Amino acid sequence: QVQLVQSGAEVKKPGSSVRVSCKASGGTFSNYVINWVRQAPGQGLEWMGRIIPLFGAPNYAQTFEGRVTFTADESTSTAYMALSSLRSEDTAVYFCATTYDYSNIHLDYWGQGTLVTVSS
Amino acid sequence: SYVLTQPPSVSVAPGKTARITCGGNNIGSKGAHWYQQKPGQAPVLLIYYDSDRPSGIPERFSGSNSGNTATLTISRVEAGDEADYYCQVWDSSGDHPDVVFGGGTKLTVL
Repeated sequence: QVQLVQSGAEVKKPGSSVRVSCKASGGTFSNYVINWVRQAPGQGLEWMGRIIPLFGAPNYAQTFEGRVTFTADESTSTAYMALSSLRSEDTAVYFCATTYDYSNIHLDYWGQGTLVTVSS
Repeated sequence: SYVLTQPPSVSVAPGKTARITCGGNNIGSKGAHWYQQKPGQAPVLLIYYDSDRPSGIPERFSGSNSGNTATLTISRVEAGDEADYYCQVWDSSGDHPDVVFGGGTKLTVL
């Protein structure tokens, strides 16, 4: 059973950056497809992209390209999501979620979520 | 980009059957997945590849997918099923593969 534990809530100023961590246990970290999904208050789910530690290269949703960076540290089984140039609309709960299925991504395991609040 | 359309809300009496639809162009050719999300919690995978259930998900939850509509069916609805439900596909048809979510459906148990 895979467990994902995310870092705590953050409050950021507009224009700044945030980094959220997602530590995994159980399973083989390098084989995961690690996805990042966000949910603005009262809104639906929005996929931000994915990274497969085994291959290294991330894929970003077009909405976030240029502003988001995914990394994965295999030595600590931890994935990171960094989002820059924050604006109020980035206020959301950010989730990491994983699967082993490379061919048709569905999200088997989820972290508890990290609330990022962007406010001046 | 690929779009999935869900009804914003569905209401059902306890013990009855709820059906939540997810419309998308030729969605029947993709594998549809479904999630349940209760307030303040992370989503939980309910159904994957149209009709498969992860271990621990009750048989009351089932799925189907054909043509332009995928459907999540919840039999013998209980008060604890009140939640938001999201469909999702993996759209690999273009240059930019994407996970696509529907807008979500709020299930109310009367």
